[in-house]
Amino acid sequence: KQEVTQIPAALSVPEGENLVLNCSFTDSAIYNLQWFRQDPGKGLTSLLLIQSSQREQTSGRLNASLDKSSGRSTLYIAASQPGDSATYLCAVREGGTGFQKLVFGTGTRLLVSP
Amino acid sequence: SQTIHQWPATLVQPVGSPLSLECTVEGTSNPNLYWYRQAAGRGLQLLFYSVGIGQISSEVPQNLSASRPQDRQFILSSKKLLLSDSGFYLCAWSVLGRGYTFGSGTRLTVV
Repeated sequence: KQEVTQIPAALSVPEGENLVLNCSFTDSAIYNLQWFRQDPGKGLTSLLLIQSSQREQTSGRLNASLDKSSGRSTLYIAASQPGDSATYLCAVREGGTGFQKLVFGTGTRLLVSP
Repeated sequence: SQTIHQWPATLVQPVGSPLSLECTVEGTSNPNLYWYRQAAGRGLQLLFYSVGIGQISSEVPQNLSASRPQDRQFILSSKKLLLSDSGFYLCAWSVLGRGYTFGSGTRLTVV
């Protein structure tokens, strides 16, 4: 059974810092990995999607890496801003035949202070 | 462009009352559709998924049901709500090779 873990559970940083969020998964046979952002009381916004054959994806100040063999992904946020404050969720889409379920981590709650 | 609509945004219902949450997708054909629930302080739990019209799979036994009457419409229902049905319900869609796209969610409070 696929399990996804995110560390740390919460993170508080001053504005301008570069930071790294970690995601690990137990079964390396994944189809892809997706990072989401969730603001309080809101839905999930997709940030980056990394296919299993890719090593990283970049969007603006965000960079996500994937090491499938070791079961790890990191989300790097450069020059953090107060608007980055949210919960960040990592999710892996299971591989194999049949229905490929998306399995979520429990998230990292980020607070960026002005 | 592809969009997903989910309503209502918030709902307060008494115990024992029925429920109907609707989700529609625009700009894509034959998507996989999903209902997730996020209980307070907990992770996202997959409730139902559908790979086509009338095809519904349930992930967990519960007081809820789902239906897909049209290709881009997904409905979550209950005949009699329980207190434990309270939570944040999210609809999502995906197509092969793409990531998931989520709706804005419905906050359900059963009182």
